[in-house]
Amino acid sequence: QKEVEQDPGPLSVPEGAIVSLNCTYSNSAFQYFMWYRQYSRKGPELLMYTYSSGNKEDGRFTAQVDKSSKYISLFIRDSQPSDSATYLCAMNTGNQFYFGTGTSLTVIP
Amino acid sequence: DTEVTQTPKHLVMGMTNKKSLKCEQHMGHRAMYWYKQKAKKPPELMFVYSYEKLSINESVPSRFSPECPNSSLLNLHLHALQPEDSALYLCASSQDLNTQYFGPGTRLTVL
Repeated sequence: QKEVEQDPGPLSVPEGAIVSLNCTYSNSAFQYFMWYRQYSRKGPELLMYTYSSGNKEDGRFTAQVDKSSKYISLFIRDSQPSDSATYLCAMNTGNQFYFGTGTSLTVIP
Repeated sequence: DTEVTQTPKHLVMGMTNKKSLKCEQHMGHRAMYWYKQKAKKPPELMFVYSYEKLSINESVPSRFSPECPNSSLLNLHLHALQPEDSALYLCASSQDLNTQYFGPGTRLTVL
């Protein structure tokens, strides 16, 4: 079993839709939970990170962590064509960071 | 400022060449990382430096040789690479182990 599981998609939604991206994990020692956006052939860009269970909001993005279920989500409201990218979840124990396989998202104008 | 810079952006090299990738951050982060990323795959950890000392080497072949000259710089020396080593090489840094910031990557092609 992988440390972090993420549905690879691809996911295709119309502009303005609410997008839900999800990851599950198996290691209860994970401390911080991150979401990255990666455009084709570019480095991952940090979108949000959180430590505790609950929700964290930043503009159109909301990160949700449920440690009891070992489940994290990223919600994107009012999705835009510029949101089309691969979204990677990541989590860490100390110096070791573990990544999901990434979900490819396309927002159709 | 959360910028990590990497040079060069692109690199094409033959299997007998020696080249180096460079990474720089001025955020005062204490940990720096090298990752390799193949198309449609997540980043794969290669090396971790903590306080300028190599702390993790993920069984990377010796044809990849990391170097951390100071707390802001990280190099990856390449020698006798194989075509299957062609990938996007990413540098990242972190402070307080709560997250990582990535550079734009070097796209490496080995002929």
